[in-house]
Amino acid sequence: KAGVTQTPRYLIKTRGQQVTLSCSPISGHRSVSWYQQTPGQGLQFLFEYFSETQRNKGNFPGRFSGRQFSNSRSEMNVSTLELGDSALYLCASSLYQGHAPTEAFFGQGTRLTVV
Amino acid sequence: GENVEQHPSTLSVQEGDSAVIKCTYSDSASNYFPWYKQELGKGPQLIIDIRSNVGEKKDQRIAVTLNKTAKHFSLHITETQPEDSAVYFCAASGDGLNSGGSNYKLTFGKGTLLTVNP
Repeated sequence: KAGVTQTPRYLIKTRGQQVTLSCSPISGHRSVSWYQQTPGQGLQFLFEYFSETQRNKGNFPGRFSGRQFSNSRSEMNVSTLELGDSALYLCASSLYQGHAPTEAFFGQGTRLTVV
Repeated sequence: GENVEQHPSTLSVQEGDSAVIKCTYSDSASNYFPWYKQELGKGPQLIIDIRSNVGEKKDQRIAVTLNKTAKHFSLHITETQPEDSAVYFCAASGDGLNSGGSNYKLTFGKGTLLTVNP
């Protein structure tokens, strides 16, 4: 069974640009979450999507957005990039089983560098 | 919101020794506690998890304990090996009924860099 696939693995962007990252969850998993990982702040929750709907959002500015498609694949977008957006962006997929939390499996991440 | 504290931030042990990492959480509604191992250049890998209706769970050399009253949980690795060297993260998650309908929001500790010396 294929794991969580994130593309691209590495990105270099200039301040002010925008970027789109992609995540393909494990087959059958309908929940996709995004996290930002930095040395200073650690792993921080960005948002979670289920059935094309955003169910929860972390404390990030509106420049960070996402969406989920009918096949559960998800994208996140960061507009007007700032130097502080440089981070490893991780996607996690989970099998929906009602309200009880289930295991979250992470992809390899996309390393974004803003220059 | 939930806050997870993790200690120690670094841990160095000799091969064959045991390693213990401890975490505390603040939200009594949290009921799911996974542990992740992250190696350099890779995403976090789920190694074990525990739910609030269980006090202890073991999987070969890895065990996790949970004390709901004290709101803390711990990871125990026995007979450590050099390949156990990595950063370990604890996390907590709540039930969907009490977290805006989403039970897939993990709050992570800051991580523990474990080094196992041969």
